[in-house]
Amino acid sequence: AQSVTQLGSHVSVSEGALVLLRCNYSSSVPPYLFWYVQYPNQGLQLLLKYTTGATLVKGINGFEAEFKKSETSFHLTKPSAHMSDAAEYFCAVSEPGGFKTIFGAGTRLFVKA
Amino acid sequence: DTAVSQTPKYLVTQMGNDKSIKCEQNLGHDTMYWYKQDSKKFLKIMFSYNNKELIINETVPNRFSPKSPDKAHLNLHINSLELGDSAVYFCASSQERGGVYEQYFGPGTRLTVT
Repeated sequence: AQSVTQLGSHVSVSEGALVLLRCNYSSSVPPYLFWYVQYPNQGLQLLLKYTTGATLVKGINGFEAEFKKSETSFHLTKPSAHMSDAAEYFCAVSEPGGFKTIFGAGTRLFVKA
Repeated sequence: DTAVSQTPKYLVTQMGNDKSIKCEQNLGHDTMYWYKQDSKKFLKIMFSYNNKELIINETVPNRFSPKSPDKAHLNLHINSLELGDSAVYFCASSQERGGVYEQYFGPGTRLTVT
């Protein structure tokens, strides 16, 4: 069985500060990992994904995440937060070839001016 | 052009009523999903269809019945609505590429049961 744990339901940063959203996963097979973002009153959209290969993956809007197998982690970072980054962020895991994606509980990012 | 669309966007109804939510995708994807997002933003998968065949059916009350008339459409019918059904319902679609099912979400339907 697969699962995802997002540490911190709320994260608050100042504009221009580093964004770090934490995600740990559990999987009995090599996982595929995703970060999705949900802006207020909208659906989720994919930020980035890890399947195989390079463990540091870059996504849209300046976000990146690093797959660390030894730590079973896939933390999301952005060097400098922008007001427009305020949203709900979801980490997710699936099995290779699997239809089902398991989502974490989400982390709400607040960006202060 | 909207990739995954849902109607209606808002739905307010009384307990005991029956309602439907429609979903359409124009991405040519083979797989479609229904998710329920509760007030705490927790996202739970309900159903999934692949080429009109039901492949995921989570522990959902049988008052909920999905229907996929074709690959581009997945509708959700809910009978005898209850207060606990109030949530945002998201439709999504995906296509397998290299073993990955990257999902595209609709804008959501906010259901309020009074």
